[in-house]
Amino acid sequence: DTGVSQDPRHKITKRGQNVTFRCDPISEHNRLYWYRQTLGQGPEFLTYFQNEAQLEKSRLLSDRFSAERPKGSFSTLEIQRTEQGDSAMYLCASSRDRVEQFFGPGTRLTVL
Amino acid sequence: EDKVVQSPLSLVVHEGDTVTLNCSYEVTNFRSLLWYKQEKKAPTFLFMLTSSGIEKKSGRLSSILDKKELFSILNITATQTGDSAVYLCAVRETSGSRLTFGEGTQLTVNP
Repeated sequence: DTGVSQDPRHKITKRGQNVTFRCDPISEHNRLYWYRQTLGQGPEFLTYFQNEAQLEKSRLLSDRFSAERPKGSFSTLEIQRTEQGDSAMYLCASSRDRVEQFFGPGTRLTVL
Repeated sequence: EDKVVQSPLSLVVHEGDTVTLNCSYEVTNFRSLLWYKQEKKAPTFLFMLTSSGIEKKSGRLSSILDKKELFSILNITATQTGDSAVYLCAVRETSGSRLTFGEGTQLTVNP
């Protein structure tokens, strides 16, 4: 499968714990995006990378959130000191320059 | 701040019906509008529209953009139960790469 992949698909954690998600984009895509989606809403932009450079961050991305794309390939999104309000589907997407974005299956986070 | 409003939020039809989904937007420097279909998983890409009045078509689905009135429609003819999904509309500005999504339209097609 040459699509966008995400790991894990589901994560249940207790409030206050740290979690890390991984995204592997489509191999020839230089742009990688993170979005968050809650029930009944469309995805909300969090951040994006062009190659290894993080070029834009939403104000939704509090200081508890950090994202990296160290070699311009896969990316990780870490949430520190999770809160119940962080429960959501975290979607990763990739694109080749500014054309259509292709989404991965998402990581569903539940914070108890 | 960019804004995307979709209507209706929910729609129930019978197989064979034709549906029209609406998307209106407010964006400072419009670049493109995209439609996605989301079943119980990741959004899958349907169309990207950049020019007014040019219809994009894929099988029973078609879409058109009106940049003067700031809206787009997505038509689905001869609906099938497999068309049941949330249809998302998103816009992108010229200066950035982020997509701003609407809430989506939940379409249910009953047999």
